[in-house]
Amino acid sequence: EAQVTQNPRYLITVTGKKLTVTCSQNMNHEYMSWYRQDPGLGLRQIYYSMNVEVTDKGDVPEGYKVSRKEKRNFPLILESPSPNQTSLYFCASSFHSGVDIQYFGAGTRLSVL
Amino acid sequence: GQQLNQSPQSMFIQEGEDVSMNCTSSSIFNTWLWYKQDPGEGPVLLIALYKAGELTSNGRLTAQFGITRKDSFLNISASIPSDVGIYFCAGHGGGSEKLVFGKGTKLTVNP
Repeated sequence: EAQVTQNPRYLITVTGKKLTVTCSQNMNHEYMSWYRQDPGLGLRQIYYSMNVEVTDKGDVPEGYKVSRKEKRNFPLILESPSPNQTSLYFCASSFHSGVDIQYFGAGTRLSVL
Repeated sequence: GQQLNQSPQSMFIQEGEDVSMNCTSSSIFNTWLWYKQDPGEGPVLLIALYKAGELTSNGRLTAQFGITRKDSFLNISASIPSDVGIYFCAGHGGGSEKLVFGKGTKLTVNP
């Protein structure tokens, strides 16, 4: 089954404790992206990747890092999480570029205390 | 940057009623997409529009790509309880690789 898988689905952590949210897709998609969703703000793009070893900032990249060492994986790294990063995070992928239809994971709800 | 204005922000309707929501932009978009997000899940694509003036249906859903390329609407006919969720418009424009999202329309359907 074609899917985008995020882990964990839920995470509670404390300020400053590094964490990684994993994202994996099995559709051989070149393009992958991370979004955060906050009430009243909709979905905002954090980072995206056009292919292996090619990443770029989205609209709200501050406080986040990403890497794309393999085509199927696109982890989101919070080196020193802060409470304003409490949010619902979505990973998405598409065949070739951001212009193509994007398929979303089920989301990761993060709380930073 | 590019922005999408989506309205209404929320809707409360009775089962069986028709629903209409729309998105507008101050700049031209080349693609319009409509997604639905069920509670606790990620957005799922409903309809994709690629050409100005295009009118596309998917079951009880109908969406149109505005002639000016600056707007799109989504209609849902004869709503049912499972239509509950948040509906997002999204679009691409101006050669950008980024998908810009509206802020969503939260739909509540009362049985």
